Amino acid sequence: GENVEQHPSTLSVQEGDSAVIKCTYSDSASNYFPWYKQELGKGPQLIIDIRSNVGEKKDQRIAVTLNKTAKHFSLHITETQPEDSAVYFCAASRWDSNYQLIWGAGTKLIIKP
Amino acid sequence: EAQVTQNPRYLITVTGKKLTVTCSQNMNHEYMSWYRQDPGLGLRQIYYSMNVEVTDKGDVPEGYKVSRKEKRNFPLILESPSPNQTSLYFCASSSGTRSYEQYFGPGTRLTVT
Repeated sequence: GENVEQHPSTLSVQEGDSAVIKCTYSDSASNYFPWYKQELGKGPQLIIDIRSNVGEKKDQRIAVTLNKTAKHFSLHITETQPEDSAVYFCAASRWDSNYQLIWGAGTKLIIKP
Repeated sequence: EAQVTQNPRYLITVTGKKLTVTCSQNMNHEYMSWYRQDPGLGLRQIYYSMNVEVTDKGDVPEGYKVSRKEKRNFPLILESPSPNQTSLYFCASSSGTRSYEQYFGPGTRLTVT
């Protein structure tokens, strides 16, 4: 079955710098890749997603890139701010899987002032 | 306000004492799911439901039961809780048709002693 690996488990960056979180997946049939942000004491919330027919997607300071050949996708956050501190989860899914998401283990992002 | 609610938010109980965690969504979503979150393991799916009276096992269903008698409610039942079920539990819902986005509840912190 599908397996999603996420790295690093913890990432500490200076405020204003960029942060990159990487995920790899095993099932070449996966075609939907969302990223969720979990703030302290809350449930995860979708921040950006990408489908396999697209190589990159941006939303203000956040971008996701997908390399289908290498089976990996990454979350890029530019000009990091204190409110970016959270746990970030990547996930993968395929269209015929009843919307089932296979989750990465999460990355704790710490923004240092 | 569109939301997923869970109750209780915190629960401390003893081994073997049956408990129910309720989950309700007001978005008329067809898909609902239960996850548990443990440090270093990310989100693991317990059970999910594609619609009323339709439920399926996720990755870690042992020791749990669910029911879907109404579209808006998806309770999680622990018939005989054990300490290894101490965890943070999340309920989520999705329209399942127009969007894959999952909306999460605020979480239930369960401790079994």
